[in-house]
Amino acid sequence: DTAVSQTPKYLVTQMGNDKSIKCEQNLGHDTMYWYKQDSKKFLKIMFSYNNKELIINETVPNRFSPKSPDKAHLNLHINSLELGDSAVYFCASSQVYTGELFFGEGSRLTVL
Amino acid sequence: AQSVSQHNHHVILSEAASLELGCNYSYGGTVNLFWYVQYPGQHLQLLLKYFSGDPLVKGIKGFEAEFIKSKFSFNLRKPSVQWSDTAEYFCAVNEPGGSYIPTFGRGTSLIVHP
Repeated sequence: DTAVSQTPKYLVTQMGNDKSIKCEQNLGHDTMYWYKQDSKKFLKIMFSYNNKELIINETVPNRFSPKSPDKAHLNLHINSLELGDSAVYFCASSQVYTGELFFGEGSRLTVL
Repeated sequence: AQSVSQHNHHVILSEAASLELGCNYSYGGTVNLFWYVQYPGQHLQLLLKYFSGDPLVKGIKGFEAEFIKSKFSFNLRKPSVQWSDTAEYFCAVNEPGGSYIPTFGRGTSLIVHP
């Protein structure tokens, strides 16, 4: 069983569209994250979410929104996609204070 | 805010050479420290971690790292690299008593020639 799974793995879409990426973890962790990895491999935190709080990186445009139906899922919804949104998006989970992340396989988003 | 610096952005080695990748962080309090590896086209995987105790930490695939508190450093080492070590390496830090979200360095691209 995959510990952290993301779908879809690849996503190609036009500018202006809305898309979602789903993430599920079966590790029983209480915290989930979304990271964006750009073309230079830099990893930037976008969101962190646990039962108690959502932490949003203030530099993330409000076109991006996390949605968590339960503690095992943290989906990423993106409105009005732009060219600069093209990147690999990684979901991860952890027990909140350890910082040890378990990553999904990534979702490569290409905006045309 | 916490910051993490990885000094070597690109490293090219021949097989059997020794490796040391630098990592420094800015926070002076209690930290947890990590090295992750990302093989080409894959996701990040944990190489090793330091929470407390012996500052010399051994990880998978022959990697080790040393936590030097006075230097705010957590350098990664391997005595003899292999072609299969070609990958991107990321140092990460979190503050268990504060901002628990891990902060990553910019990564080091390692290419090992056979």
